Amino acid sequence: GIQVEQSPPDLILQEGANSTLRCNFSDSVNNLQWFHQNPWGQLINLFYIPSGTKQNGRLSATTVATERYSLLYISSSQTTDSGVYFCVNSGGSNYKLTFGKGTLLTVNP
Amino acid sequence: EAGVTQSPTHLIKTRGQQVTLRCSPISGHTSVYWYQQALGLGLQFLLWYDEGEERNRGNFPPRFSGRQFPNYSSELNVNALELEDSALYLCASSLLGAETQYFGPGTRLLVL
Repeated sequence: GIQVEQSPPDLILQEGANSTLRCNFSDSVNNLQWFHQNPWGQLINLFYIPSGTKQNGRLSATTVATERYSLLYISSSQTTDSGVYFCVNSGGSNYKLTFGKGTLLTVNP
Repeated sequence: EAGVTQSPTHLIKTRGQQVTLRCSPISGHTSVYWYQQALGLGLQFLLWYDEGEERNRGNFPPRFSGRQFPNYSSELNVNALELEDSALYLCASSLLGAETQYFGPGTRLLVL
């Protein structure tokens, strides 16, 4: 099956710092998405980005499908950015999402 | 517009018991997905229902089952609970063929 590797596994930042999270795939990129899981467990869609670059406020994401990786950029981090960031891929038409193990981000005030 | 809702929010059961978790999708969504997030195992796909039928199943034993009702809400049933079934169970919904899924708040199950 599809393997999704995320790095780093853990990241601690001071408020205001910038960061880059990376996701590598073992197979082709389909329906690549980034999610944020807050400390209470709620998963929120951040980006649907099978290729190219998208920006939403302080967050942006880039996927290079030909090289099978995606990056999530967080600028001017805030304490509310804390949580786990998941990179997710799905295989073809079965819509079974394959989650990476996530990056645990802690933003300290 | 209401998001995906799940009930109950928390549940405590003992080994060998049975449990039913419920999920209501976003209005208009026909697909419902179930995921298990157990400590140390990450988020794993359990089941996908669309239009009342099971469309795909993850690598879980048959004691994990479910169904989807005509109003597209769904139930996840787990029989003969084991300690390792303790997890956060997440439900998601989408339109069939949509590019993303929307997740509910989850049900935290603790098996003692």
